[in-house]
Amino acid sequence: AQKVTQAQTEISVVEKEDVTLDCVYETRDTTYYLFWYKQPPSGELVFLIRRNSFDEQNEISGRYSWNFQKSTSSFNFTITASQVVDSAVYFCALIGRSNDYKLSFGAGTTVTVRA
Amino acid sequence: EAGVVQSPRYKIIEKKQPVAFWCNPISGHNTLYWYRQNLGQGPELLIRYENEEAVDDSQLPKDRFSAERLKGVDSTLKIQPAELGDSAVYLCASSLALGGGDTYNEQFFGPGTRLTVL
Repeated sequence: AQKVTQAQTEISVVEKEDVTLDCVYETRDTTYYLFWYKQPPSGELVFLIRRNSFDEQNEISGRYSWNFQKSTSSFNFTITASQVVDSAVYFCALIGRSNDYKLSFGAGTTVTVRA
Repeated sequence: EAGVVQSPRYKIIEKKQPVAFWCNPISGHNTLYWYRQNLGQGPELLIRYENEEAVDDSQLPKDRFSAERLKGVDSTLKIQPAELGDSAVYLCASSLALGGGDTYNEQFFGPGTRLTVL
């Protein structure tokens, strides 16, 4: 079985602060993919990043960065210098063969950035 | 390039009434998904299509839910009759087909239909 846990329900920060979102996953697959999606108030899920289980290289893309650590089954996401437009619900998700390629989502973390 | 289109965006019905949702995927995406997202939770897959074929409908409550994708492009999800517990956001997503060797293509989501059953 697969499981994604986002322990943080809500995070509130002041603009320009950094925000780190935690994601811990469980899977018995050796090959799997991890994702982060953003869901703004408009409701649409916006794809942010995909990582496969063989690529532990961390990455920075603009104000976003990701920290994938297979040893601890974690895939954390950081927003640097947060902006009000970053306010949204962020979902971590996992997919692999053992779950018939169903995307397993965490419960989401609501990020509120105050001006 | 147009994204995934869904309609209606909002629907309010009384329990026991039927309701239908429509989805048009991104052009060229032959895999289409319907998800249900309850308040405060992540989306859960209801059904996945590869072209016209429903390849995974294990989580679809078949007593009241049905879906079709007749020409392998747009799709309709129906609930009949609706129950109070069906109130949720229904999301449609599309992707390129699953690749070989455990490769996977990301899913792109539509804006969803927010259903309220009174």
